[in-house]
Amino acid sequence: AQSVTQPDIHITVSEGASLELRCNYSYGATPYLFWYVQSPGQGLQLLLKYFSGDTLVQGIKGFEAEFKRSQSSFNLRKPSVHWSDAAEYFCAVGAKGSGGGADGLTFGKGTHLIIQP
Amino acid sequence: EAQVTQNPRYLITVTGKKLTVTCSQNMNHEYMSWYRQDPGLGLRQIYYSMNVEVTDKGDVPEGYKVSRKEKRNFPLILESPSPNQTSLYFCASSLSRAGLANTSPLHFGNGTRLTVT
Repeated sequence: AQSVTQPDIHITVSEGASLELRCNYSYGATPYLFWYVQSPGQGLQLLLKYFSGDTLVQGIKGFEAEFKRSQSSFNLRKPSVHWSDAAEYFCAVGAKGSGGGADGLTFGKGTHLIIQP
Repeated sequence: EAQVTQNPRYLITVTGKKLTVTCSQNMNHEYMSWYRQDPGLGLRQIYYSMNVEVTDKGDVPEGYKVSRKEKRNFPLILESPSPNQTSLYFCASSLSRAGLANTSPLHFGNGTRLTVT
């Protein structure tokens, strides 16, 4: 079964500093990988996704992520964070269900990003 | 505007009193899904639906029911709510399976915060 680990529950970054959020996955085949952001009181919004091809993917809001198969990682990065980036971030891996369990996305437990002025 | 609409946003109820959380999407999506979000556990899938009249269990289906009589609607039913179902619930939809097609991301509603006393 697939799984996703986000090792950091909370991360605090100063405004203007760079950011890296870690994500490790376990999946038997080539994974579909996603990063979602959840702002307070909102649903989840897709930041970026990896399906195949170039291992460095660009997303919205200036985010990027790099797929590293050898490390089973898909870390999210941003060169310079803004106060509006404060949110909960979820990494997810795609699964192909067979009707006997969860179908679609398996989510990590999330990383709460705090931006210091 | 393309959106997934959940109602109500907030609901407080008592143990055993049947309730329904509605979910509607206006994007003609085939795939719909319900998740619950709990602190430290991330999002877990409750039920999903591949199309009208096709539903299946996710990771945590106990205590919940769903129906998919129309393409646009996917209500979540709690026949006899219990306090352990206090949670934040999200409905999501996509054109194809769980946002796993490159051109069909998963769209989330803004959530329903349920408290069962």
